Amino acid sequence: DIQMTQSPSTLSASVGDRVTITCRASQSISRWLAWYQQKPGKAPKLLIYKASILESGVPSRFSGSASGTEFTLTISSLQPDDFATYYCHHFNSFSRTFGQGTKLEIK
Amino acid sequence: EVQLVESGGGLVKPGGSLRLSCAASGFTFSNYSITWVRQAPGKGLEWVSSISSSSSYIYYADSVKGRFTISRDNAKNSLDLQMKSLRAEDTAVYYCARAPGDKRAYDYWGQGTLVTVSS
Repeated sequence: DIQMTQSPSTLSASVGDRVTITCRASQSISRWLAWYQQKPGKAPKLLIYKASILESGVPSRFSGSASGTEFTLTISSLQPDDFATYYCHHFNSFSRTFGQGTKLEIK
Repeated sequence: EVQLVESGGGLVKPGGSLRLSCAASGFTFSNYSITWVRQAPGKGLEWVSSISSSSSYIYYADSVKGRFTISRDNAKNSLDLQMKSLRAEDTAVYYCARAPGDKRAYDYWGQGTLVTVSS
């Protein structure tokens, strides 16, 4: 099975900061990587799919990139609404794997 | 408006059974794969099971294989998850989510239903 290693597990930042979350796959997954945002008590929300395609309605301060088996989610300028938990996710024909999650906290 | 609404959660004893349902509306249900994802209290997301649009392809996580059965009724726009031999570690909020094939991601989610396995 493909493993997804997400880091950091917790990130403290301030409004206006640029932050990056990383997800590393245990083997090549092409660009089949999605990012979700989840707030307490709510369902996850799709932000990015195919590593870098922004889901409709998601603010442009969110971006995704890929280099080999390493994927990054970048928030260019943190807004108060962005403090949440973020998950990466890989989806192939036989299995689907989530990263462990990154909790983005207010510094 | 796309909507997915889960139901059927509740308290069940270890070894017991429960059937979750997911009612879909606002899109052509028969065109989409659907997935169940769960989240134990205070934990991360865990994929549980997926079913293709015509039920031709069904997949399960190793943690539920042989105990859970996913099914769908495209005429009724509904999805079920039959859960048997439930364990304490199955305690979680269960979400159904839509999975467009071209995205390989879940673009719409239900609000979730809580399953608690406890004596």
